[in-house]
Amino acid sequence: AQSVSQHNHHVILSEAASLELGCNYSYGGTVNLFWYVQYPGQHLQLLLKYFSGDPLVKGIKGFEAEFIKSKFSFNLRKPSVQWSDTAEYFCAVNADNDMRFGAGTRLTVKP
Amino acid sequence: NAGVTQTPKFQVLKTGQSMTLQCAQDMNHEYMSWYRQDPGMGLRLIHYSVGAGITDQGEVPNGYNVSRSTTEDFPLRLLSAAPSQTSVYFCASSSYTTGGGELFFGEGSRLTVL
Repeated sequence: AQSVSQHNHHVILSEAASLELGCNYSYGGTVNLFWYVQYPGQHLQLLLKYFSGDPLVKGIKGFEAEFIKSKFSFNLRKPSVQWSDTAEYFCAVNADNDMRFGAGTRLTVKP
Repeated sequence: NAGVTQTPKFQVLKTGQSMTLQCAQDMNHEYMSWYRQDPGMGLRLIHYSVGAGITDQGEVPNGYNVSRSTTEDFPLRLLSAAPSQTSVYFCASSSYTTGGGELFFGEGSRLTVL
């Protein structure tokens, strides 16, 4: 089974700072890639997804992610974070209908 | 537009008790699954189902039982609760044919085992 690694456990940024959260996976075949966000006290919601095509995908709320196949990576980015982006972010990889999640990265944005 | 509905939202059990977490979806999704979420460990797959009458184990199935008698419902049973099962549980569903594996989550059920 594949595994998913998120490098940062907790990231603290000031408003307007740029964000990049790392995600790497281990699986040699075809995968579908996802980033989910979980706001405090809520369930997970989809931020963006990659199935095929342009490796740079754009999601909601100004987030984007780039799939680099050679590096088995799918990093999440946002040029300028807001206080409302404070949440936990999960990378997920689906291979052959087996969906695995990373441990999550907690993002705290200071106003 | 209900989506995925889980009940109960909160539950406290004593060690050894049994209970069932209910999950229902109204999107006609083939795939349903249960995850548990623990701090620093992300979401771990407990059991999943690819259709009515078919279930399979995920990463952490011990102590849990599931069944899928209809497309809509996928209950999770704790046979004899243990403190290690204190967690937040999420039910999720997806469509193979249209979703590419994108999961739709319920609101979660917070379980405490004393």
